[in-house]
Amino acid sequence: EDQVTQSPEALRLQEGESSSLNCSYTVSGLRGLFWYRQDPGKGPEFLFTLYSAGEEKEKERLKATLTKKESFLHITAPKPEDSATYLCAVPSEDTGRRALTFGSGTRLQVQP
Amino acid sequence: EPEVTQTPSHQVTQMGQEVILRCVPISNHLYFYWYRQILGQKVEFLVSFYNNEISEKSEIFDDQFSVERPDGSNFTLKIRSTKLEDSAMYFCASTGGWEQFFGPGTRLTVL
Repeated sequence: EDQVTQSPEALRLQEGESSSLNCSYTVSGLRGLFWYRQDPGKGPEFLFTLYSAGEEKEKERLKATLTKKESFLHITAPKPEDSATYLCAVPSEDTGRRALTFGSGTRLQVQP
Repeated sequence: EPEVTQTPSHQVTQMGQEVILRCVPISNHLYFYWYRQILGQKVEFLVSFYNNEISEKSEIFDDQFSVERPDGSNFTLKIRSTKLEDSAMYFCASTGGWEQFFGPGTRLTVL
């Protein structure tokens, strides 16, 4: 059973066109939700950790928010260099387990 | 800024051969992980390592796989007899808390 579902699978934006990516999760005892950026052929690059509903984190043009069932990654006035696949991940419900379960990602393309 | 490093960046091997993938985690991190990503698919957890032993492993991590921390800096993943379906990107990650930091990956191609 999928614990993490991301939408849309792919998103094409014009430079400066703001949008949001969605990550929904089904784990009941959330112990953190992680956002990563992955460029083609590279490893995931850590962006944010969110721990509780209502929490928000920002970094440059990115802002991540968390509710009890989903997280959003808002991209404000994106630039072509923001083009990448954005992944979210959660650890297992079992305390003491830290293995991350990843979503399939949203492939973002920002055109100049 | 400290980072996780991995070698080699690309490994090509024949089916049935043994391969060893190497990682240098961020110093002072205590938890180490291996993940893999088959082309076009999700990043999947393989194994975690803490205090010189495996702390978790997935169903993928069968007897063909092993991990080792041979010294104070390296962390290795060995695949004893590679199969075609082992072709993937293999990522090492480490953490000193919750956030896991990933290396650039090793692309393994099994022919």
